[in-house]
Amino acid sequence: QKEVEQDPGPLSVPEGAIVSLNCTYSNSAFQYFMWYRQYSRKGPELLMYTYSSGNKEDGRFTAQVDKSSKYISLFIRDSQPSDSATYLCAMSTYNQGGKLIFGQGTELSVKP
Amino acid sequence: GAGVSQSPSNKVTEKGKDVELRCDPISGHTALYWYRQSLGQGLEFLIYFQGNSAPDKSGLPSDRFSAERTGGSVSTLTIQRTQQEDSAVYLCASSFLDRGGWVMADTQYFGPGTRLTVL
Repeated sequence: QKEVEQDPGPLSVPEGAIVSLNCTYSNSAFQYFMWYRQYSRKGPELLMYTYSSGNKEDGRFTAQVDKSSKYISLFIRDSQPSDSATYLCAMSTYNQGGKLIFGQGTELSVKP
Repeated sequence: GAGVSQSPSNKVTEKGKDVELRCDPISGHTALYWYRQSLGQGLEFLIYFQGNSAPDKSGLPSDRFSAERTGGSVSTLTIQRTQQEDSAVYLCASSFLDRGGWVMADTQYFGPGTRLTVL
């Protein structure tokens, strides 16, 4: 079993839809939770960063962490065609030197 | 300013050959990471550097893989006697080292990757 599980999709939604992306994990020592966006043939770019449990909002994006359930989510409101990309969740513990453990990534397509 | 750069962007090689992949981190970033992204596998951690030292090499798949970093800047990932299963995108990332000397899960800035194909 992988430390971080993420449904690879693909996920296709119409423009303006609310998108929900999720990851589950098994290592209770994870304290830092991130969502990266990766466009085709590009490197990942950081979208959201959360420490421990709770919610964080940034524009159309909301990240949620539920450590008791070992479950994290990313919500995208009013999705746009430019949001079409692969979304990767990533996690780390304090003493792993910043080493990130990634989910497989979910491929999202937003249709105009 | 300039981001993380990697070269070459694409590399096609024959099975059994050695390859070198290069990463130029963002200037001033003391931590540098190598990841591998295979189809359907997500990103796998390979190794990370603090300065020129590599405290964690746990992700290197075999002794055919090695990496070094010189001058606290450029890093080279070397794969000897390449195999077809080494075909993947190799990504490099860099970040700041925090004041306490711990590389916390700070923002890692990724390069565009090197796409390696072993025939």
